[in-house]
Amino acid sequence: QKEVEQNSGPLSVPEGAIASLNCTYSDRGSQSFFWYRQYSGKSPELIMSIYSNGDKEDGRFTAQLNKASQYVSLLIRDSQPSDSATYLCAAYSGGYQKVTFGIGTKLQVIP
Amino acid sequence: DVKVTQSSRYLVKRTGEKVFLECVQDMDHENMFWYRQDPGLGLRLIYFSYDVKMKEKGDIPEGYSVSREKKERFSLILESASTNQTSMYLCASSLPSGGVTDTQYFGPGTRLTVL
Repeated sequence: QKEVEQNSGPLSVPEGAIASLNCTYSDRGSQSFFWYRQYSGKSPELIMSIYSNGDKEDGRFTAQLNKASQYVSLLIRDSQPSDSATYLCAAYSGGYQKVTFGIGTKLQVIP
Repeated sequence: DVKVTQSSRYLVKRTGEKVFLECVQDMDHENMFWYRQDPGLGLRLIYFSYDVKMKEKGDIPEGYSVSREKKERFSLILESASTNQTSMYLCASSLPSGGVTDTQYFGPGTRLTVL
């Protein structure tokens, strides 16, 4: 059973701080990794994807991938109250394999 | 922009009823998915389809069936609704595997309540 594990939180950070969200995955064959943001009552929306080891930056968001440690993280700099949401980590193993989602980490940014 | 639409945002049905949930995508995606999302359990895959008339079971297919007669439309059917099928149902679509095309795009969701 392929698994993606996340701490459900909530993770509380003050406004302006860096929020660090973490995820581990069990399938060493996973090729692609995604971070989705989900506001309460809404559907998930993609915010970052990463395929290679290292960092990938997009605005205030940085995704980090370490395949040797089977670890993915998402950093949110200058956190805003509007970043308060649940962040889902997902891993994809290629071909007709399904995407496996983590349970999600709830982030609360305190003004 | 990719657009995935679902037939209803909220639905209330009675135990034993046959329920149809429809999903339509407008980006010519080959792959379509049905998930349910429950508190503490995350997103769980019910069925997916990688082509017209093709379907594959996901993690929790029991009590559900699907239909994909046209590329843009993927239907989820609850043959005889039960209270434990009360949930948020999410449809998603994606292009075939490979690089950025693995990204799944989600519809707005249907919150189904079975009484």
